[in-house]
Order: sequence, then C-alpha cells, then structure tokens
Amino acid sequence: KAGVTQTPRYLIKTRGQQVTLSCSPISGHRSVSWYQQTPGQGLQFLFEYFSETQRNKGNFPGRFSGRQFSNSRSEMNVSTLELGDSALYLCASSSASPLAGGPTEQFFGPGTRLTVL
Amino acid sequence: GDSVTQMEGPVTLSEEAFLTINCTYTATGYPSLFWYVQYPGEGLQLLLKATKADDKGSNKGFEATYRKETTSFHLEKGSVQVSDSAVYFCALSATFRGQFYFGTGTSLTVIP
Repeated sequence: KAGVTQTPRYLIKTRGQQVTLSCSPISGHRSVSWYQQTPGQGLQFLFEYFSETQRNKGNFPGRFSGRQFSNSRSEMNVSTLELGDSALYLCASSSASPLAGGPTEQFFGPGTRLTVL
Repeated sequence: GDSVTQMEGPVTLSEEAFLTINCTYTATGYPSLFWYVQYPGEGLQLLLKATKADDKGSNKGFEATYRKETTSFHLEKGSVQVSDSAVYFCALSATFRGQFYFGTGTSLTVIP
C-alpha cells in the first residue's frame, strides 16, 4: 500500500506570495492532518479534515487554510507569506472515524520544505 | 487540556549505551500513547504505541510502558546503535478524533 505523499517536496517563495501544498493520504484513510515543524516551535498542529469537513483547528492565523476533496486528498494554502512561515509542513493520514471507537495512529508523509525569502 | 511533556535534548550517547527518554502526559479520558521517530530529512515514522494502561509497546529493540499511575510513557533501549540517531517524539491521542498532541522532540546522537 502506498504511503502518504506530499507535493512539492521543496518550495521557495517570497514574502507576500501565496502557496498551495498537496497531500495524498494512504488509500482508505479519510482523516488528514497538517502540521508545521520549525526548529523553534517544534511540531504544531494546523488542522484536521475528515470526509471533507474540518474537525479540528490549531492556533494559526486565518492566512492558513485547508480543504479536503471527496477522494480524501487535501490541500493547504498559506496566503500573504511571511518569513516566519518558513518551515517543514507535514501531512498525516489516519483511518480515524467517529465509528472506529478509539484513536488510531497517524502516518506521516515526507513533508514539504517551504522557504520564504 | 491534553498535553505531552518530553525530556529536553539533545542527548549524546556512545554506541551500546542504555537509552531512556522521559515522557509524561496530561489527558482527560483514556489516551493512546505513541513514540514517533524522525530521521534527518524525513517525515515522522511510528516507532511504537500503547493503547491502554500497562500495555508495553515495542519495536526494533525500543520499549515503552503505559503507566497510568505516573502518567508516563518513557522510551527505553538497552543498547543503542549509530543508526538510532534521530529525533524522537512522544505523542498522545485522547479521542477518536484526529488531533494528536506531540512533545517537543528529543534529538539523539549516537557516537561510535
């Protein structure tokens, strides 16, 4: 079974631009979560989608948004980029479902390294 | 709210030394606990997990026991190798919903 894939792997943008990152979850997984990883802040939760609905949201400004499609693929968008948005953005998928009855592990993609100049 | 507190790093050990990375948690309900590992330039990989009190997760020589009485899930390995050099994250998931809570990560370097 193919793992979580993220595209692109590397991205360089300038301040003020916007960016869209893509994540394809493991086949059959309907939950997709996004994280921002930086040396100073560690791993911070952005948001989580399940069946095209945002279920959880972290403490990030409205410039960070996401969506999920009917095939479970997800995109996140960052508008008006700032230097501080430079980070590794990780996507994780799981089979977590309201019917599952318990938490399941998340499977991570390799990440997209975003550099804002 | 739910949270994970993890031992600060970095940790440097000689090959074949004993490893302990401490992790304690705060959670309502009955969380599942996880250890993830991140090798340089890669995403996180699940190392081991435990879903209820007194469970022991194990993988690749690493072990961690879910201790509800001390709210801990310490990672141990009896003899580390250079290839174990990575960043280790403790995490919990307290509900069926997708949100995980991660510790800050502990960087481990094993020297020959």
